[in-house]
Amino acid sequence: KAGVTQTPRYLIKTRGQQVTLSCSPISGHRSVSWYQQTPGQGLQFLFEYFSETQRNKGNFPGRFSGRQFSNSRSEMNVSTLELGDSALYLCASSLGDTSNQPQHFGDGTRLSIL
Amino acid sequence: DAKTTQPNSMESNEEEPVHLPCNHSTISGTDYIHWYRQLPSQGPEYVIHGLTSNVNNRMASLAIAEDRKSSTLILHRATLRDAAVYYCILLQYGNKLVFGAGTILRVKS
Repeated sequence: KAGVTQTPRYLIKTRGQQVTLSCSPISGHRSVSWYQQTPGQGLQFLFEYFSETQRNKGNFPGRFSGRQFSNSRSEMNVSTLELGDSALYLCASSLGDTSNQPQHFGDGTRLSIL
Repeated sequence: DAKTTQPNSMESNEEEPVHLPCNHSTISGTDYIHWYRQLPSQGPEYVIHGLTSNVNNRMASLAIAEDRKSSTLILHRATLRDAAVYYCILLQYGNKLVFGAGTILRVKS
């Protein structure tokens, strides 16, 4: 069974640009969550999508947004990039129809801002 | 979000059992206890979760105190591949995982 796939694995951008990251969940999983990991703040929840609707949101500015498609694939977008946005962005999927199901993580996209 | 407390780091010898503690004194009756681990250069990996009773799976065992204010993740025979950061997380509903600093487990050969 294929795992969670995130593309691209690495990305370099400059301040002020925008970026789109992609996540393909495990087949049959309808929930996709996004996390940001930095050395200073650790792993922080960004948002969760279920059946194309945002179901939960973390404490990040509006520059961070996401969406989910009918096939459960998800994208997250960061606009007007800042140096502090340099991080590992992780996507996790789960069945999501009931609470407390295991989440399966991808290996992340490492975003570097110059 | 309910808070958990874990030791910063622990060390174990290969082939020996490892007991990773977690305190969660403010746990509510509907909070599940989840454990994830993160190996170097990888995303977090689900290990185990439980509510009140002890749980076992192929990776580990979870022992939950009777008052639920603490729990222990048990790796029965540590291997070098178990060296990772282990996170204990309380989850009430939904999929919002709130990660703390976790415990860095070092395994010596």
